Amino acid sequence: DAGVTQSPTHLIKTRGQHVTLRCSPISGHKSVSWYQQVLGQGPQFIFQYYEKEERGRGNFPDRFSARQFPNYSSELNVNALLLGDSALYLCASSLVPYRAGEETQYFGPGTRLLVL
Amino acid sequence: QQQVKQSPQSLIVQKGGISIINCAYENTAFDYFPWYQQFPGKGPALLIAIRPDVSEKKEGRFTISFNKSAKQFSLHIMDSQPGDSATYFCAAHQISPGTYKYIFGTGTRLKVLA
Repeated sequence: DAGVTQSPTHLIKTRGQHVTLRCSPISGHKSVSWYQQVLGQGPQFIFQYYEKEERGRGNFPDRFSARQFPNYSSELNVNALLLGDSALYLCASSLVPYRAGEETQYFGPGTRLLVL
Repeated sequence: QQQVKQSPQSLIVQKGGISIINCAYENTAFDYFPWYQQFPGKGPALLIAIRPDVSEKKEGRFTISFNKSAKQFSLHIMDSQPGDSATYFCAAHQISPGTYKYIFGTGTRLKVLA
């Protein structure tokens, strides 16, 4: 069974540009979460989507946006890139957003973004 | 701001030894506490997790100890092996009305010497 897939694996952009990152969840999973992981730090929650609706948002500026498609895949968009946006962007999929007492999310390998 | 504080930042252990990583939290609205293992170039993978109504959970060589009154929890890796060398993150699941998110610790880089 395929796990969570993300594309591209690596990306180099310059300041002010826009970037779109893509995530395909595990088959049957309906929820996707996005995280930013700066080198040497733990993942920081950006968004969670379930059934194409936003269910959670972290403390990120409006330059960050996301959406989920009818096939449950998802895109993360970042506008007006800053040097500080350089990070590993992780996607995690789960069957449902959360089930009390159970761990449901599985992470993809991430997209490494470098902003020059 | 909700935080999960993790220590130590790095840890070196001899093969066969016990690795201990600690986390502390402040927000009582956390209801689930997973530990993740991350190898270079990979996404985090769930290792073991615990609910706050349980004081200890063991799976193979990995044990979580949870102290609800102290708002602390720890990961113990028994008989540590070189293959355990990775970065470990504790996390806490926060429930707010209509939203769900995980708060991660800053990570512990474990190196197990052969």
